[in-house]
Amino acid sequence: DVKVTQSSRYLVKRTGEKVFLECVQDMDHENMFWYRQDPGLGLRLIYFSYDVKMKEKGDIPEGYSVSREKKERFSLILESASTNQTSMYLCASSPGLAGSSTDTQYFGPGTRLTVL
Amino acid sequence: DAKTTQPNSMESNEEEPVHLPCNHSTISGTDYIHWYRQLPSQGPEYVIHGLTSNVNNRMASLAIAEDRKSSTLILHRATLRDAAVYYCILRYTHFGNEKLTFGTGTRLTIIP
Repeated sequence: DVKVTQSSRYLVKRTGEKVFLECVQDMDHENMFWYRQDPGLGLRLIYFSYDVKMKEKGDIPEGYSVSREKKERFSLILESASTNQTSMYLCASSPGLAGSSTDTQYFGPGTRLTVL
Repeated sequence: DAKTTQPNSMESNEEEPVHLPCNHSTISGTDYIHWYRQLPSQGPEYVIHGLTSNVNNRMASLAIAEDRKSSTLILHRATLRDAAVYYCILRYTHFGNEKLTFGTGTRLTIIP
């Protein structure tokens, strides 16, 4: 089974802190994604990566950056955390079957981040 | 991106079939219809997808209207473990478009 793990289930940080959220997948997937999920807004894509050292902005990249130095690891960085970044953060990966309808995404369990 | 419309919530009795509707009137000919679900305290998981023909797998069936402007996810015999938020997503599958756009989905409650 595909496994996507996230470094923490719950995280509490203070405003202005630099925050790292780590995601690791064990299935040699090409693509990795970071979403945030808020009540009433569903899941929104922050950034994604289709290769090592490659990244693309999603729908809400402001206030975030990402790093993908190794294929299996995708990090989300909050340079200076703010209270409006309190949210559930979900990481996902997909095989990267270009043009294939079966390129499904596999999600981690999520990290609930609270910024005080 | 083409949009989907789903009811905010539905209820069903345990061990009965459940039909979850999705409208996608602006679907294009190359959009696939994907369904994911999110169980409580978990990330979403893939359920099923299709293009034109009805599809079946071990989790569910997907019925697609002839004009493709709507589809229905069918859980043949709902259990308490099927209580989740179900997302209907259109996906234009081509290289460089690996994104999924999630809406707010349908929250399915199963009544024992």
